[in-house]
Amino acid sequence: ELKVEQNPLFLSMQEGKNYTIYCNYSTTSDRLYWYRQDPGKSLESLFVLLSNGAVKQEGRLMASLDTKARLSTLHITAAVHDLSATYFCAVDTETSGSRLTFGEGTQLTVNP
Amino acid sequence: NAGVTQTPKFRILKIGQSMTLQCTQDMNHNYMYWYRQDPGMGLKLIYYSVGAGITDKGEVPNGYNVSRSTTEDFPLRLELAAPSQTSVYFCASSYSRGLVTSTDTQYFGPGTRLTVL
Repeated sequence: ELKVEQNPLFLSMQEGKNYTIYCNYSTTSDRLYWYRQDPGKSLESLFVLLSNGAVKQEGRLMASLDTKARLSTLHITAAVHDLSATYFCAVDTETSGSRLTFGEGTQLTVNP
Repeated sequence: NAGVTQTPKFRILKIGQSMTLQCTQDMNHNYMYWYRQDPGMGLKLIYYSVGAGITDKGEVPNGYNVSRSTTEDFPLRLELAAPSQTSVYFCASSYSRGLVTSTDTQYFGPGTRLTVL
């Protein structure tokens, strides 16, 4: 059974600081996804990382994938309040036929 | 494009009642999915469909049924509602999985917040 674990589950940080969210998964994966969810809202796609060790950046967020370690990271640079949200990673393997297994989510709060 | 739409937005059911959650997408996606999200948790897959007439169970299918008669619509049926089905339900869609180099993602609807009392 595929397991996806995120840590930390809760993260409170000050504006301007850097931090990293970690996503570990238990089996070989073809793709890894990062989503953002604002309170009471739906999920918004941030990044899709393929099994070739991609690194992607959008604004203050950078995601990377280490397929050997079965680890993805979401790095936040110089956090701002607008980044406050819950971030989910999800894993898709070829055997799952495009079904995603989600982590529990990391609730990020950026304080002024 | 409206993307993925869901109705209703909110619903309160009594134990034992039934209802259908509606989901429609206008992106001509083959794949559609139903997830539930319990408070403070990630999403769990209930059912999915790879095309009209084809459905399959996900991780937590008990107490639910689906049908897929058209590409656009993927309704989720709750029979004999129970308090354990109190959750937020998200419908999503995507293109077929395609090439291993595809970076296509799943697109999510706004969700239906269901309470069973």
